[in-house]
Amino acid sequence: DTAVSQTPKYLVTQMGNDKSIKCEQNLGHDTMYWYKQDSKKFLKIMFSYNNKELIINETVPNRFSPKSPDKAHLNLHINSLELGDSAVYFCASTGGFYGYTFGSGTRLTVV
Amino acid sequence: EDKVVQSPLSLVVHEGDTVTLNCSYEVTNFRSLLWYKQEKKAPTFLFMLTSSGIEKKSGRLSSILDKKELSSILNITATQTGDSAIYLCAVTSLWTDKLIFGTGTRLQVFP
Repeated sequence: DTAVSQTPKYLVTQMGNDKSIKCEQNLGHDTMYWYKQDSKKFLKIMFSYNNKELIINETVPNRFSPKSPDKAHLNLHINSLELGDSAVYFCASTGGFYGYTFGSGTRLTVV
Repeated sequence: EDKVVQSPLSLVVHEGDTVTLNCSYEVTNFRSLLWYKQEKKAPTFLFMLTSSGIEKKSGRLSSILDKKELSSILNITATQTGDSAIYLCAVTSLWTDKLIFGTGTRLQVFP
């Protein structure tokens, strides 16, 4: 069983489109995150949710809107996609002190 | 601003060599330092080091935290081609669960 699963794995879309990435975890963790990894492999946090409540919003453009319908799901919706949004987006979850579990990533390419 | 710096950025070695990867950090109210290995997809957890656990070892990998120097090293002995990956260092603070990542060290091990 996959602990943190993201869909889709790959997403190619045109500038200006709106797209969503879904994330689900079956670990019973309370906290979920979205991280962005750029072309230089630098990972940076975007959002975190704890039990459906937004905890961290790291100066991400408001074209990015996370939604957490329940504590096992955290989706990311992106409006008006731009070339600079091309990256790998990782979902992750943590149940507390002992580290994170990452999803396998969604490679977004905006053309 | 909280910051994590890793060195070297890139390392090329032959199988059997021993490598040392460095991580230094500046973070307010440090809680933990984590090492991850990233091959093609998601980062996978290696170690977590805290004030109460400054040295960890697993097989050929070991890591030490130096709280005085605000740094950590990751050692890999008798390297194998399967060790080729990006090694990521991250820290957390007492106030938040978010991971603050360094830029990573790309290790390539050739036969």
